Parts: sequence; C-alpha cells; structure tokens
Amino acid sequence: EVQLVESGGGLVQPGGSLRVSCVASGFTFSGYWMSWVRQAPGKGLEWVATLKQNENDKDYVDSVKGRFTISRDNAKNSLYLQMNSLRAEDTAVYYCTRVSGRKGANNWFDPWGQGTLVTVSS
Amino acid sequence: QSVLTQPPSVSGAPGQRVTISCTGSSSNIGAGFDVHWYQQLPGTAPKLLIYGNDNRPSGVPDRFSGSKSGTSASLAITGLQAEDEADYYCQSYDSSLSGWVFGGGTKLTVL
Repeated sequence: EVQLVESGGGLVQPGGSLRVSCVASGFTFSGYWMSWVRQAPGKGLEWVATLKQNENDKDYVDSVKGRFTISRDNAKNSLYLQMNSLRAEDTAVYYCTRVSGRKGANNWFDPWGQGTLVTVSS
Repeated sequence: QSVLTQPPSVSGAPGQRVTISCTGSSSNIGAGFDVHWYQQLPGTAPKLLIYGNDNRPSGVPDRFSGSKSGTSASLAITGLQAEDEADYYCQSYDSSLSGWVFGGGTKLTVL
C-alpha cells in the first residue's frame, strides 16, 4: 500500500524556523517527483513546492521563494520542507504528496499524506 | 483570489445530478494543460477523483466524470449520495506562474 506520513509540525514564533518531514512507503520513492501542498485553516489548497528526481531541480510558489527549501533523502524514502522566516500567513496544514503522471506540467497529486499542522504565532 | 475559479457552493438532493465548474485562462486550462479534480471529505486529506481531464482512478465510482473545453472544465456527479458531501478542488498548471494551481474549492451539500 502506498503511504505518506508527515511529521514535525507545531507552534513556532513569527520569524522562526521549522522542518517538516514525510516518510514514504509502498513505492519506489526515488523514481518520483514529490511535492508539498498546504491548506490554511478553513481555506483552499495551495501548491508550495516540488522536487524532481534531480536534487537541484526544484520549483516553489512565489510566496515562499527564498524562505522555504524542499529536499529529499532517497536512502531514507524521506521528503523534507525546511521553513525559515516564518510568517503568520504560513499557518496551515502541510501535505506531502506524490507527483503522478508523466514527468511534466500535466501532473497530478496522488496520493496525499494525512498532513501536519504548522502554526505561526507569538 | 485563486487562479482557477470555482463556485463556492453547490447543492442537490439525493439521486440528482450536479456539476461544478472550474474556469481558468489562456495561461492554464486554455493553454492546453490538463485539469484534475480532488475530493476532500470533512477532516481528511484530499483524494484524487479525476485525472487528465476525464479519467477516473480505480475505485472511483463512474458517477463521477470530468470534462474540459476551452478555458474551463467541469466535474459532474450523478446519482448524488449523502457520502458525496465534501469539498471539491480543480487543479492545473499555469505557465505564467510556472507552477501548479488549484481552484478555490466548492462545497457540495447533499440536501
């Protein structure tokens, strides 16, 4: 069974840092692009970042560029999101998701983890 | 303001048919990028419902169908059931933003 399990969420002060993690199982992790998608409380979904198989090939939504870093450890089947200079508007549930389909723009996200809540507040 | 526009809510009685629209522009749906749909039941993670405009993953009932035309796409649900009550999101790629984009979501209420 394909499974994604996030961890590492919590309460952090504005300007602080946090790293969330995702452990994958049930598929060949190194063969897939992986992404983070977030959902602010009561709001819709927002794509945050995607990491392709090449560790140097990453895409970010404009609002997190320069502050967030997506990375992976294929030996540990793990995906990470390092979040620095956190703002109140970064408060959200962060979902780890596998990018499925042909490797290009027409990809979709499947499956999704259960999410981990990051709260930025003083 | 989401790049893809969905109605905030739709409703229907059990057994009825409802549609949810997803309107984009020439830099996303109109540029030929595929549209995908997700269902999010209350308190759970999103689940893929339709991929590649009109394809259903295994396990998704054929009551759910997708279509795309021009700068818009639609999700249709026939034979509405109480268990279909959820939030539905469309997703595509935007070449101007160089990233993946979602609609704002539509809350389906089964009356």
